[in-house]
Amino acid sequence: GDSVTQMEGPVTLSEEAFLTINCTYTATGYPSLFWYVQYPGEGLQLLLKATKADDKGSNKGFEATYRKETTSFHLEKGSVQVSDSAVYFCALAIKAAGNKLTFGGGTRVLVKP
Amino acid sequence: DTAVSQTPKYLVTQMGNDKSIKCEQNLGHDTMYWYKQDSKKFLKIMFSYNNKELIINETVPNRFSPKSPDKAHLNLHINSLELGDSAVYFCASSQEWVTQYFGPGTRLLVL
Repeated sequence: GDSVTQMEGPVTLSEEAFLTINCTYTATGYPSLFWYVQYPGEGLQLLLKATKADDKGSNKGFEATYRKETTSFHLEKGSVQVSDSAVYFCALAIKAAGNKLTFGGGTRVLVKP
Repeated sequence: DTAVSQTPKYLVTQMGNDKSIKCEQNLGHDTMYWYKQDSKKFLKIMFSYNNKELIINETVPNRFSPKSPDKAHLNLHINSLELGDSAVYFCASSQEWVTQYFGPGTRLLVL
């Protein structure tokens, strides 16, 4: 079946540090890839997405590139802020599978001043 | 002008009770979903409806019954609640089978 694997947290960083969260996937079809973010006590917000190979999704300084050859969609941000502290979820969806999102386990990121 | 809303936000109840969670979206989307997030933050699809038709029904106990009165609403009814049902339940909606937009979640605690 389809699955998403992302690095376990927590990841603790200082402000202005570089953030990378690794995400790899296995899929039976051609997936669209997503990063969602969950701030403390809140719901899920779409951070960025990519729908085909080599697409780069970007938002709020975060970037991720759809790498079909390595089945990866790693999330990066060059300079994190305290406000980026949250849980980040990598996910895939396949239209032929009803577009259900298959999530990774989530990575908690804590940015300290 | 909330896009996807859920009620209630918090729900505390006793084992064996029956409860419902409501979801409404004002985005004009055709497809709605229910996800469950457990205590370890793991998220898993439960159900999906497209234009009021059930299209995804994962291995969920039949105590859980979704109902979609129209394409803007997808409610979740749970019978005979168990301790293991304690979780955060998220509703989501999408159009054109791609990006899903999530509600704020309903935190259910079964005592």
